[in-house]
Amino acid sequence: KAGVTQTPRYLIKTRGQQVTLSCSPISGHRSVSWYQQTPGQGLQFLFEYFSETQRNKGNFPGRFSGRQFSNSRSEMNVSTLELGDSALYLCASSLGQDGHEQYFGPGTRLTVT
Amino acid sequence: AQSVTQLDSQVPVFEEAPVELRCNYSSSVSVYLFWYVQYPNQGLQLLLKYLSGSTLVKGINGFEAEFNKSQTSFHLRKPSVHISDTAEYFCAVTRGFQKLVFGTGTRLLVSP
Repeated sequence: KAGVTQTPRYLIKTRGQQVTLSCSPISGHRSVSWYQQTPGQGLQFLFEYFSETQRNKGNFPGRFSGRQFSNSRSEMNVSTLELGDSALYLCASSLGQDGHEQYFGPGTRLTVT
Repeated sequence: AQSVTQLDSQVPVFEEAPVELRCNYSSSVSVYLFWYVQYPNQGLQLLLKYLSGSTLVKGINGFEAEFNKSQTSFHLRKPSVHISDTAEYFCAVTRGFQKLVFGTGTRLLVSP
């Protein structure tokens, strides 16, 4: 079974631009979660989607948004990029019920200059 | 709100020696606990999880962890480490709803 895939793997953007990251979950998984990983703040939860609905959201500004499609693939968008948005963005998929483990993709490394 | 404390930012150890990575959590309700490993330039891989039942949990690659409710701890152990175990290890907690709260990570450095 194929794992979680994320595209692109690396991205360089300029302050003020916007960016869209993509995540394809494991086949059959209906939940997709997004995390931001930085050296200073560690791993932080962004949001989770289940069957195209956002079920949970972390403490990030509205510039961070996401969506999920009917095939469970998910995208996250960051508008008006700031230098502090430079991070590894990790996507995780799960069957979506309590206790079910999340399987992580390799991440997208975003650098904002 | 839940929180996770990983007491050691870095743990150096010699190959074939035992190791324990410490994790303490705080939560007023029942939680699920996980240990993940991250190798350089990769995502997170699940080592083991505790949902309920036996407090000793066995995972992949010879790792195990013990859930201690009274001490709110979930320490990770391996009786004999290998060079390939060099990585960053994250303890995480969740009440459900797929929102994991992670600790700050422990870098395990295994030397020959």
